[in-house]
This record gives sequence, C-alpha cells and structure tokens, in this order.
Amino acid sequence: DSGVTQTPKHLITATGQRVTLRCSPRSGDLSVYWYQQSLDQGLQFLIQYYNGEERAKGNILERFSAQQFPDLHSELNLSSLELGDSALYFCATGSSTNTGELFFGEGSRLTVL
Amino acid sequence: AQSVAQPEDQVNVAEGNPLTVKCTYSVSGNPYLFWYVQYPNRGLQFLLKYITGDNLVKGSYGFEAEFNKSQTSFHLKKPSALVSDSALYFCAVRDGSSGGYQKVTFGTGTKLQVIP
Repeated sequence: DSGVTQTPKHLITATGQRVTLRCSPRSGDLSVYWYQQSLDQGLQFLIQYYNGEERAKGNILERFSAQQFPDLHSELNLSSLELGDSALYFCATGSSTNTGELFFGEGSRLTVL
Repeated sequence: AQSVAQPEDQVNVAEGNPLTVKCTYSVSGNPYLFWYVQYPNRGLQFLLKYITGDNLVKGSYGFEAEFNKSQTSFHLKKPSALVSDSALYFCAVRDGSSGGYQKVTFGTGTKLQVIP
C-alpha cells in the first residue's frame, strides 16, 4: 500500500460527459502528479501541482483540468469525453525534497462508451 | 528538455538467468534516475533510485541498477530472474539541478517476461 488513494477505481461513462477523479496524497506529500496510461502507450505526464500551485504541465488536453486543494488532495476533471480518453489515470505524490521517488495510487480506470 | 529511452518493448529471460532491462536518458543538469515496476492493473511501485555516489545502486526484490555517466545509461539488472519478476518496468528521470518542482519523465516501459 503506497498510501496514495484514488477514487473511483472504475468509471464507465458516455461520450460527451464529464467526470472527476480524486487523489488523496500520502501524509506530508506536497507534490501531486497526474499521468494517463492508455493501452499500448506509456505513461503520459499530464500535470503537476505543488502545495496548491500548478508547477508543470505536460500533454494535458484543454478539455482536462486539475486542481490541488488546501488539504492537498487533488482532482482531475475530464470533460466532453471522447472514446480515446478511455485509459488508466494515475495520481502520484512525492515529498517536498527534490530527490524523492514518487508514490503511485492504484489508478482510476475510465471507460468511455 | 529531458527524455528517457527504453529501447526494448519486451525482454524475455529464462528463470534463473540474469536479466538486464536497458534505459538511457537525456537531461541538462544532474540526473536523478529511478526504476519502477508495474504489475497488471496496479499502480507503479518504486524499485530503486540513483541520486549521487556509488554507480551501482541496490533496490527492492534483489534488483540493482548501474549508472553510467559517459553512456548516459541506467540499466536495471538482477542476477537470477524469478517468474514473479514478470511485469512492466519503467525508467524515469528528473533534473536534479533545477529545484524541487521539475516534472518526472518516464520511459515507455519494458515488459519483462520470465519463462519457467
């Protein structure tokens, strides 16, 4: 158990809909990273937050947005969903030190029908 | 920009034989290098990291990795493979010279298949 909690574990929805994925970090971790993992694709970095502020942006679509709240949990919002958005979405958190490894949640599997 | 290359999509090795999973990286500053393992339908788990010091780093489950600065490589190794090592392995890099907020870049992953 990494200590990172992601909900929901599974989500099935229709095209055009909007969903919110939630991530609760390990106690004390200030950094939150969101990744997308599709079939036959590696881990695509979406966005990073540190203590409530956006720090780095990757290949995140304009239809997607994220935020980190004062209690440090984070949410990834996916809107106007398309079939191609079906994927595993991982949250990873890390400590405030620069050398630390990341701790991953078990992921949220999104299926868009 | 930083990048990681894992040249092999899949590595097959017989149980009991040594295994190597290759990784090369590119980063402008000091490389902080990591290996992670992913079992089916699970999140990634940290195996080991290189920050500084000894070029041979030991990690979980008997894995080790060798940092080679001149070849910009960080290959994952294990002296004797187990069937239970079969999984997807990711190499990752971050730039250690640029503060604590740099993104972590992952390779595309290498599927390790250990054959009984």
